[in-house]
Amino acid sequence: ILNVEQSPQSLHVQEGDSTNFTCSFPSSNFYALHWYRWETAKSPEALFVMTLNGDEKKKGRISATLNTKEGYSYLYIKGSQPEDSATYLCAFGTATDSWGKLQFGAGTQVVVTP
Amino acid sequence: SQTIHQWPATLVQPVGSPLSLECTVEGTSNPNLYWYRQAAGRGLQLLFYSVGIGQISSEVPQNLSASRPQDRQFILSSKKLLLSDSGFYLCAWSVSYGYSNQPQHFGDGTRLSIL
Repeated sequence: ILNVEQSPQSLHVQEGDSTNFTCSFPSSNFYALHWYRWETAKSPEALFVMTLNGDEKKKGRISATLNTKEGYSYLYIKGSQPEDSATYLCAFGTATDSWGKLQFGAGTQVVVTP
Repeated sequence: SQTIHQWPATLVQPVGSPLSLECTVEGTSNPNLYWYRQAAGRGLQLLFYSVGIGQISSEVPQNLSASRPQDRQFILSSKKLLLSDSGFYLCAWSVSYGYSNQPQHFGDGTRLSIL
């Protein structure tokens, strides 16, 4: 049973449009929230690690926000490009685990069409 | 810089046959190591993790096992594969200090098909 939920499961975006999607996680016992990008035929690549409520991270046209009190994070892609097509995974770690274990969501698959 | 190698990339095995997948990390010492599986349409499921040589923890009961014979080597094994073992297997590492606030770095994965 996954405690980490991602929605939507997939979405199609026109090139140039902006989009966002959600990761929900248990608000208790929170320690860290990760976002990864997983392109076809490649390995997952870490985008952000966030630990504090209200954290905002940015990398190029991609940014993420974190609300630990209500248990959600948003990932935003501004001006989507075809190279943004990938599955975006979020994962969270708990304060009671000291070995770096993460629980992953099933991902949001993003397809950007020209 | 650190690199992670995982092989083979694809594997087709008959039911009941043994399995050995290998993962090695270069450029870092005493990493935390992880084995994940992604079944069709599902998220990454943590199978095993290791914080040191000979120290393996299992997350789910199954017919798989893991070993860490050297600091930067992590092996996933099975004596007899089941159909349900089909999936995509990923190895990952992270730095060993701290909790879960360090990113994990993934290998390219192994696509395992059981016939």
